[in-house]
Amino acid sequence: GENVEQHPSTLSVQEGDSAVIKCTYSDSASNYFPWYKQELGKRPQLIIDIRSNVGEKKDQRIAVTLNKTAKHFSLHITETQPEDSAVYFCAPRGNTGGFKTIFGAGTRLFVKA
Amino acid sequence: DGGITQSPKYLFRKEGQNVTLSCEQNLNHDAMYWYRQDPGQGLRLIYYSQIVNDFQKGDIAEGYSVSREKKESFPLTVTSAQKNPTAFYLCASSIGTVSNQPQHFGDGTRLSIL
Repeated sequence: GENVEQHPSTLSVQEGDSAVIKCTYSDSASNYFPWYKQELGKRPQLIIDIRSNVGEKKDQRIAVTLNKTAKHFSLHITETQPEDSAVYFCAPRGNTGGFKTIFGAGTRLFVKA
Repeated sequence: DGGITQSPKYLFRKEGQNVTLSCEQNLNHDAMYWYRQDPGQGLRLIYYSQIVNDFQKGDIAEGYSVSREKKESFPLTVTSAQKNPTAFYLCASSIGTVSNQPQHFGDGTRLSIL
């Protein structure tokens, strides 16, 4: 079945620095690549996504880059702020699995003021 | 999302008891999902449904059951066969026509054993 891995599992940065989280997947038929943010005790919320016909997408301080050949995509957060502290999950999906979704194990980001 | 309502927010189960978690959505989404989240862990898929009257097992379906009689409702029953049910349960939905759409989550139900 689909294998999804996230790295690192924990990331600590100083406020204002950049953070990068990588998601590696095994299903070459994956065509949808979202990132979700979950604050403590809250629901996960989509923060950015990309589809397989695009290599990069940016939304203010957040960007996602996709390398379909290597089967990985990354979340980039620039000028980090304390409110960026949360757990981030990737959840690639594609035609092979249909609607079945495998989430990565999550990356806990700490932004130190 | 305001469009997905999970209830109750907290639930306690006694030994040998079945309990049902409610999930209702008014987003007109065809697909709905149930996930289990243990402390400090990721989301694991229990069941999902792409359309009314149809549902599929996820990775950890044992000890759980679901029904999908209405488009807007996808209740999850935690049966007595689930020996370690204490967790945070999240319901989600997405547009059902294609799989490349985001999931929208409810606020979750915390289930504990008495």
